[in-house]
Amino acid sequence: DQQVKQNSPSLSVQEGRISILNCDYTNSMFDYFLWYKKYPAEGPTFLISISSIKDKNEDGRFTVFLNKSAKHLSLHIVPSQPGDSAVYFCAARSTQGGSEKLVFGKGTKLTVNP
Amino acid sequence: KAGVTQTPRYLIKTRGQQVTLSCSPISGHRSVSWYQQTPGQGLQFLFEYFSETQRNKGNFPGRFSGRQFSNSRSEMNVSTLELGDSALYLCASSLDRNQPQHFGDGTRLSIL
Repeated sequence: DQQVKQNSPSLSVQEGRISILNCDYTNSMFDYFLWYKKYPAEGPTFLISISSIKDKNEDGRFTVFLNKSAKHLSLHIVPSQPGDSAVYFCAARSTQGGSEKLVFGKGTKLTVNP
Repeated sequence: KAGVTQTPRYLIKTRGQQVTLSCSPISGHRSVSWYQQTPGQGLQFLFEYFSETQRNKGNFPGRFSGRQFSNSRSEMNVSTLELGDSALYLCASSLDRNQPQHFGDGTRLSIL
């Protein structure tokens, strides 16, 4: 049972335009959500996170939106740059219970074309 | 500030052997988690350690084990290696439960 889903395996956008990556989750216990970026031969790099008490968090060109009722979150990158080309993973966990186990989606490969 | 360090970066083993992977967390981080990344399954949680105690374990067979030392460094061990164990093994550490996990670059394990 896949609790975190990224339904688009790939996304291609033009430099300077907006990139929107989507993520859905099924476990209502999840209350902390993160986005990671991964380049080949490197580990995932933390980008931005959001707690379920918020519906938006912004950090520079990156904004994460959370819709709890729809169990959906999205990552917006504006403007997109060629260096943003990577695989993006959505991750979620519950802050109750003490464990820090993250549940990951399978990733979306973003390609930003010059 | 040094990041999460994993050694070795690459490893080639044959079926039936065992392997030990090492992870040094960011200084001050006490929580260490391990994940397996394969092309078909994405990142799958293996286990998590905090203050030398296993706090959570994923759905992996008993051939996969780990431990954490008093300096928060962690090791994972896989015994009786199988071809399907070929994967990227990632270690992550965090300061506390309200902070994001930070990952190392992983150990690429190939089983022949």
